[in-house]
Amino acid sequence: GEDVEQSLFLSVREGDSSVINCTYTDSSSTYLYWYKQEPGAGLQLLTYIFSNMDMKQDQRLTVLLNKKDKHLSLRIADTQTGDSAIYFCAEGNNAGNMLTFGGGTRLMVKP
Amino acid sequence: EPEVTQTPSHQVTQMGQEVILRCVPISNHLYFYWYRQILGQKVEFLVSFYNNEISEKSEIFDDQFSVERPDGSNFTLKIRSTKLEDSAMYFCASSEQGSDQPQHFGDGTRLSIL
Repeated sequence: GEDVEQSLFLSVREGDSSVINCTYTDSSSTYLYWYKQEPGAGLQLLTYIFSNMDMKQDQRLTVLLNKKDKHLSLRIADTQTGDSAIYFCAEGNNAGNMLTFGGGTRLMVKP
Repeated sequence: EPEVTQTPSHQVTQMGQEVILRCVPISNHLYFYWYRQILGQKVEFLVSFYNNEISEKSEIFDDQFSVERPDGSNFTLKIRSTKLEDSAMYFCASSEQGSDQPQHFGDGTRLSIL
């Protein structure tokens, strides 16, 4: 079945860029998503990219997609302490409506 | 901005009892979903619902589970004869259309089975 993998933890200093990586196995993925989860809160949709794109930029967020390698990354520019959270990568495909999630990357931003 | 709302935020139930988790999806959305996240594990898909019927379900979603849209606004997940291993965070989500539209999630209901 489909699988989505992420590294568990990332620590950066305030003002630096953060890069969170994700790999997936389903070659039929049509959309790939990034969600943010703050403590005690739900899954907030940050951004998403269609599989025929290789980059999408939205303010401080840049998503890069390497479809050949099935690798997705989320870059956060000028990382702030408020960006500290767990970031989930998820993939969806036309075969169904379900999303398959990675295990989440905990981003810690040090002042 | 419209939100998916879930109630209650925390539900504590004795093993063997039935629970109903409630969700109000975003009003113009047509597809509804339930996911769960057992502590320390990945978020897992349970079921999707469209046009008053289940459109897809996972292996987890067995006869113990059911979903319903009892009126024009609520979407519920019922878990019968709860087991200890049903303890998890349950997330509801909705999307305007299906696989080509992003899913928006609620804050979740933490279900604790004692």
